[in-house]
Amino acid sequence: DARVTQTPRHKVTEMGQEVTMRCQPILGHNTVFWYRQTMMQGLELLAYFRNRAPLDDSGMPKDRFSAEMPDATLATLKIQPSEPRDSAVYFCASGGRNYEQYFGPGTRLTVT
Amino acid sequence: AQSVTQLGSHVSVSEGALVLLRCNYSSSVPPYLFWYVQYPNQGLQLLLKYTSAATLVKGINGFEAEFKKSETSFHLTKPSAHMSDAAEYFCAVSAGAGGTSYGKLTFGQGTILTVHP
Repeated sequence: DARVTQTPRHKVTEMGQEVTMRCQPILGHNTVFWYRQTMMQGLELLAYFRNRAPLDDSGMPKDRFSAEMPDATLATLKIQPSEPRDSAVYFCASGGRNYEQYFGPGTRLTVT
Repeated sequence: AQSVTQLGSHVSVSEGALVLLRCNYSSSVPPYLFWYVQYPNQGLQLLLKYTSAATLVKGINGFEAEFKKSETSFHLTKPSAHMSDAAEYFCAVSAGAGGTSYGKLTFGQGTILTVHP
């Protein structure tokens, strides 16, 4: 049963620290999406890739967030420096043949 | 451009009653439509999808949705609610391969379904 995996599942860090979240998309999927979910803002698209190339990262604060796909099996989202307002659940999703997206379990980030 | 409106942020039903969650969409191209479910502390799970084949789509857990182009709607239904259906449900639309939005989904704000015994 193919699934998207994300690590870590939970992360607690202090303000100013670097945070790296990792995602392994489903093998064979060529699109990868990063979302952030909060109670106040709901589900927000941060960035997405097609064939490892960034297509759109307009939803991401550029000064502190960066997203990359070093290879087809790994996508990363980094926050440096982290701030309390970054506390949220971050989801990765990979795209199937009919444009459906399969979501990972998420990384719950708490910045104190 | 695509947009999705989910009517009702909260829906409450009794166990065994009909579930109806409403979704209306706007799309400049023939849409692909999806329903997702999110249980507490979990990721979004695909319930069903419409990809321009049959207008009545059956999904997992007894849910189905009907694509109505004339009404720009894609409402989700289940004949008999179960306690385990309590979750948040999201409707989403995709332009498919159109333009620079390749594969991008636009989500509704979500509807929280509560099921009473």
